Formats: sequence, structure tokens, C-alpha cells
Amino acid sequence: QVQLVESGGGVVQPGRSLRLSCAASGFTFSSYGMHWVRQAPGKGLEWVAVIWYDGSNKYYADSVKGRFTISRDNSKNTLYLQMNSLRAEDTAVYYCARELLVVPGARLGYWGQGTLVTVSS
Amino acid sequence: EIVLTQSPATLSLSPGERATLSCGASQSVSSSYLAWYQQKPGLAPRLLIYDASSRATGIPDRFSGSGSGTDFILTISRLEPEDFAVYYCQQYGSSPPYSFGQGTKLEIK
Repeated sequence: QVQLVESGGGVVQPGRSLRLSCAASGFTFSSYGMHWVRQAPGKGLEWVAVIWYDGSNKYYADSVKGRFTISRDNSKNTLYLQMNSLRAEDTAVYYCARELLVVPGARLGYWGQGTLVTVSS
Repeated sequence: EIVLTQSPATLSLSPGERATLSCGASQSVSSSYLAWYQQKPGLAPRLLIYDASSRATGIPDRFSGSGSGTDFILTISRLEPEDFAVYYCQQYGSSPPYSFGQGTKLEIK
């Protein structure tokens, strides 16, 4: 069955960096677009970034553009989110999510359990 | 960027009643590329409906989606105790960034 397991969260000071990972299993990772979605404590969902199945295209929310980088290693079935210049407002649970279909489209059919990132001095 | 507005913010109903949740878009959502998700406390969201009206695998048929353009509806025909949760709509019809609505909390009356 499809499994997505995030890791790499933790407490980090403002201005520092953190890299999240999402280990995928149970499906052909290289066939699907992948996303990061975050949720600040007590708040709603915020879409963060997407990467095409082959890594050829990447898009970001305006709130993270220029600071976050999404990437993937299809040989390791792993998705990444490099987060630089972190701010207090980046504090959130970060979920990785797989598109439902091989046909591109952000129908987020599978989600990981999330990893908490806390930005605080 | 398309802004999604969900209403009401909170909906108080009893088990067995019908729930109607709305999602309005600031501009037309192309190809009706709109999804609905359910989220329970401490858990990841779960996809219910995609492409405005297609039920995801394993979703009971009491959940249905409708709408097009700028107005979309999620209907739960007869509420079960496990349906009380927060519901989000999301559009993916235009180029990224994709956007979520702010959510509707469905609570037990």
C-alpha cells in the first residue's frame, strides 16, 4: 500500500535552515507528482510546493518562493524540502502528499503523517 | 492566484441530518478542478472528492460534490458520527500556486 513518511522536523532558530525528507513506498515513485502542504498550529491548510514526476518543473507558494526548494531523488524514492532563512511564520506541520493519478493534477490522494517544524529562538 | 472562500465557517448539525458546505472561488476554476478534503484532529487530510464530483476510492456515497465555475458544494446526505470534522476545498485548475479554502468545521449540535 502507499506509504509516505516524513522526517527532519524539529526546533530551529529564525534565519537557520532545515531539510525535510519524505520516504515513499508501495508505488512507482517516479510516476507521480509530489507536493508539500503545511498547517500552522490551529490553522488551515496551505499549499507549499509541487515537483513534477521527473523533477522537470517546480512551483512554489509566494510565501516560500526564494527560500524553500523542493527536490526529489527517484532512485531513492524520496522527496525533499530544503528550507532556508526560516521565519517564525514557517512554524507548522509539514505534510508530503502524492497526486492521486499519474495524469498531472493536484488531486492529493495520499498524505504522510506530517512532521512538525518549530521556528523559535 | 485564485482565492477560495468557504461557508459557513462552522456548521452545527445532528447525526442523520443533511450537510451542505459551500466553496466560492474568486475566479472560474478551469475544468472544475476542485477537490474536497476531510481532516480530523491530529490526522492528515483525506481526499473525499476530486474534479468537483468524483468520489475518491473508499469514500461512502453519502458524500457528493457538485458545481462548476466559481461555485461548488459538498453535500453529506445523512450525517454519521464519524463525519464531524473540518472540511477544506482546494483548486488545482490553474497554474500553481494551488489554494485551499479556510475550512468549514462541522460540529455536533
